[in-house]
Amino acid sequence: KAGVTQTPRYLIKTRGQQVTLSCSPISGHRSVSWYQQTPGQGLQFLFEYFSETQRNKGNFPGRFSGRQFSNSRSEMNVSTLELGDSALYLCASSMGTGGSYEQYFGPGTRLTVT
Amino acid sequence: AQSVSQHNHHVILSEAASLELGCNYSYGGTVNLFWYVQYPGQHLQLLLKYFSGDPLVKGIKGFEAEFIKSKFSFNLRKPSVQWSDTAEYFCAVGPLNTGNQFYFGTGTSLTVIP
Repeated sequence: KAGVTQTPRYLIKTRGQQVTLSCSPISGHRSVSWYQQTPGQGLQFLFEYFSETQRNKGNFPGRFSGRQFSNSRSEMNVSTLELGDSALYLCASSMGTGGSYEQYFGPGTRLTVT
Repeated sequence: AQSVSQHNHHVILSEAASLELGCNYSYGGTVNLFWYVQYPGQHLQLLLKYFSGDPLVKGIKGFEAEFIKSKFSFNLRKPSVQWSDTAEYFCAVGPLNTGNQFYFGTGTSLTVIP
C-alpha cells in the first residue's frame, strides 16, 4: 500500500507570496492532519480534516488554511508569507479521527521563505 | 494547556548500551500515547503506541515503553542499542475526543557510536 505523499517536496518563496501544499493520504484513510515542524518549536498541529470538514485547528493565524476533497486529498494554503513560516510541513493520515488511530506521516514539504 | 516534555535533548551512547528516554505530559483527560522515530533523511515512523491495557508496550526493533499513569509518563526503553538506532525520537500524546490533534515533544536526538 502506498504511503502518504506530499508535493512539492521543496519550495522557495518570497515574503508576501502565497503557497499551496498538497497531500495524498493512504488509500482508505479519511483523516488528514497537518503539522509544522521547526527546530525550535518541534511539531505543532495546524489542523485536521475528516470527511471534507475541518475538525480541529491549532493556534496559528488565519493566513494558514486548508481544505479536503471528496477523495480525501488535502491542500493547505499559506497566504502573505512571512520569514517565520519557513519550516517543514508534514501531512499525516489516519483511518479515522478521535485520537484512537495512529497517524502515518508523509515526507514533508520543506518551505523556505526569503 | 496541554504539553509534552522530553527531558533529554541529545543523548550519545555506545553500541550495546541501554537506552531510556523520558517523556512526561500534562493533560487531565484520557490520552493515547505514541513514540515516533525519524531516521536521518526519512519521515516520521511509528515505533509503538499505548491505547489501553498492559502499561508495558512493545514496539518495533526491540523498543518498549511503560505508561505510568500516576506520573503522567511514557518512557521509551531499549536494552541494547545499535548504530542503526541513531535517529530523532518524538513522544506524542493524542487526547481522546479531540480529533487527531496530537501534541508532540520537542524530540530527543540519539547518536549511537559504534
